[in-house]
Amino acid sequence: GAVVSQHPSWVICKSGTSVKIECRSLDFQATTMFWYRQFPKQSLMLMATSNEGSKATYEQGVEKDKFLINHASLTLSTLTVTSAHPEDSSFYICSATTGGIQPQHFGDGTRLSIL
Amino acid sequence: DAKTTQPNSMESNEEEPVHLPCNHSTISGTDYIHWYRQLPSQGPEYVIHGLTSNVNNRMASLAIAEDRKSSTLILHRATLRDAAVYYCILRGGSEKLVFGKGTKLTVNP
Repeated sequence: GAVVSQHPSWVICKSGTSVKIECRSLDFQATTMFWYRQFPKQSLMLMATSNEGSKATYEQGVEKDKFLINHASLTLSTLTVTSAHPEDSSFYICSATTGGIQPQHFGDGTRLSIL
Repeated sequence: DAKTTQPNSMESNEEEPVHLPCNHSTISGTDYIHWYRQLPSQGPEYVIHGLTSNVNNRMASLAIAEDRKSSTLILHRATLRDAAVYYCILRGGSEKLVFGKGTKLTVNP
């Protein structure tokens, strides 16, 4: 149980385009979802916290107009990287939880490469 | 969230037990100790968590010191699939996880 699906698993696109990444909890309802970014040989950095039906809370230094998060239902959150540039190339990972002290369950990540 | 300290890397042989240490001297009374691991090119995977008592599950055991200032994740018989970066994280009232650098575990065949 507790499966989180992330799609796509990898994407390559041209500079200036927007990219949408989906995160779905397949067998549970997630009250909270999180988006992380991980650069090569570094640890995960939390970008934002997302609750269903409300605006995402962004970490300091993360541009909310560049990284649009929509949490439309208890099983789906999306991250859109708008006007992507090469410096946005990274490994983006989502997680979902039923809340409280319960574990976070992670997707397999999306490797984004901007040319 | 309180900070944790882990060795950068550890090495083990296949089918031997592995003890991964974590120091958290500034832990507060309401902080849970969580362990996650990340295999190469994958998202992290939940391993185990505990508050005060030792915990066991199908993946590992968590031994928590009596003063709670340190803990040890125990893999009873390491396999090649256990090669990963292991993160020890304290969680208090917030749902957020703050990842440190973790311990990179190498398992030798």
